Amino acid sequence: TQLLEQSPQFLSIQEGENLTVYCNSSSVFSSLQWYRQEPGEGPVLLVTVVTGGEVKKLKRLTFQFGDARKDSSLHITAAQPGDTGLYLCAGADSGGGADGLTFGKGTHLIIQP
Amino acid sequence: DSGVTQTPKHLITATGQRVTLRCSPRSGDLSVYWYQQSLDQGLQFLIQYYNGEERAKGNILERFSAQQFPDLHSELNLSSLELGDSALYFCASSATAGGTGAFFGQGTRLTVV
Repeated sequence: TQLLEQSPQFLSIQEGENLTVYCNSSSVFSSLQWYRQEPGEGPVLLVTVVTGGEVKKLKRLTFQFGDARKDSSLHITAAQPGDTGLYLCAGADSGGGADGLTFGKGTHLIIQP
Repeated sequence: DSGVTQTPKHLITATGQRVTLRCSPRSGDLSVYWYQQSLDQGLQFLIQYYNGEERAKGNILERFSAQQFPDLHSELNLSSLELGDSALYFCASSATAGGTGAFFGQGTRLTVV
């Protein structure tokens, strides 16, 4: 079973600050996705990264896939209250999909105005 | 709107009963995933179907079963329900068997009393 560890579990910061959350594993993934989930809703896909070392930007969000495809980070610049939510990373295994999509437990992010 | 439809949105039932959760994937998506989300366990992968065939199996209990029909909709059957089965159940779909991002429905909140 592949495990994804996300850190920190909880983060509360002021509007305008920058932050980084991490997603780490001892397993290699064929791809890694980041999702944001709001209470009572399903996770919403933000990005998929596939290539080791890949960096993708989505407005103020920057996603990086580690060179070894075992870890990823999400950096938010000038955080806004609208960024509040549960951020989840999910890995697709490199063995043909036998493990489905494995999710980390998430980072609960609160951006205070 | 993710394009994934789950019914019902809420379900309250007694211990020992059986329920069926339904999922219609996004148009054109061949993969359907089922997940269980509880406060302490996070998103737990249950099972994946791809084009009607079981593709991957996660931590799905023997009391639970699923299937994907020729029109690609899927059902998750939960039987002999216990209090601990109370959770949010999500269906997600993707175009391929794995590696790309998944699109989640809004979930079914199951309460077992």
